[in-house]
Amino acid sequence: GEDVEQSLFLSVREGDSSVINCTYTDSSSTYLYWYKQEPGAGLQLLTYIFSNMDMKQDQRLTVLLNKKDKHLSLRIADTQTGDSAIYFCAETMNRDDKIIFGKGTRLHILP
Amino acid sequence: EPEVTQTPSHQVTQMGQEVILRCVPISNHLYFYWYRQILGQKVEFLVSFYNNEISEKSEIFDDQFSVERPDGSNFTLKIRSTKLEDSAMYFCASGRASVGELFFGEGSRLTVL
Repeated sequence: GEDVEQSLFLSVREGDSSVINCTYTDSSSTYLYWYKQEPGAGLQLLTYIFSNMDMKQDQRLTVLLNKKDKHLSLRIADTQTGDSAIYFCAETMNRDDKIIFGKGTRLHILP
Repeated sequence: EPEVTQTPSHQVTQMGQEVILRCVPISNHLYFYWYRQILGQKVEFLVSFYNNEISEKSEIFDDQFSVERPDGSNFTLKIRSTKLEDSAMYFCASGRASVGELFFGEGSRLTVL
């Protein structure tokens, strides 16, 4: 069935790069997303990538997609304290319009 | 910048009571969704709505749940008789197309006692 897996925690020192990884099962995914959720807040779309792309860069964010391995990653360059949040990987299937979310990776920034 | 707004931000209710969660989607969007997130768990799809009818619903969205777009701007989720396990953060989302970017509201936290 459809599933999105990601590690639950990541600790990174301020100024370093953070890399959050995600794997998904359905090869018919059309869009793959990264959402950010700060404490007590809603889901904020950070970036997304269409399935025919390998990479997308947006300022400090780089998304890499390995469609063969069904692996998606989000790299945050020069991680800041404001990046502390839960990051959700998500995908949309080709055949319907619902988004499947992973459980989220909590990014903790060390001083 | 246009955004999806949800009310109330937090509602506490007694088990068995009816609850209505309200959402105002972005004005030129055509596709509307409700998701929920039980504390510490993943965000789960509940229902999608297009052209004034439900286009898809999950197993969670049973007969106790209903959605409505009563006046062309609001999009509501009603839970007829709340259960303890309905306690969660409920997110409304809207989008221009059925596949692509969704915009989420900040969520309505429902606590059922």
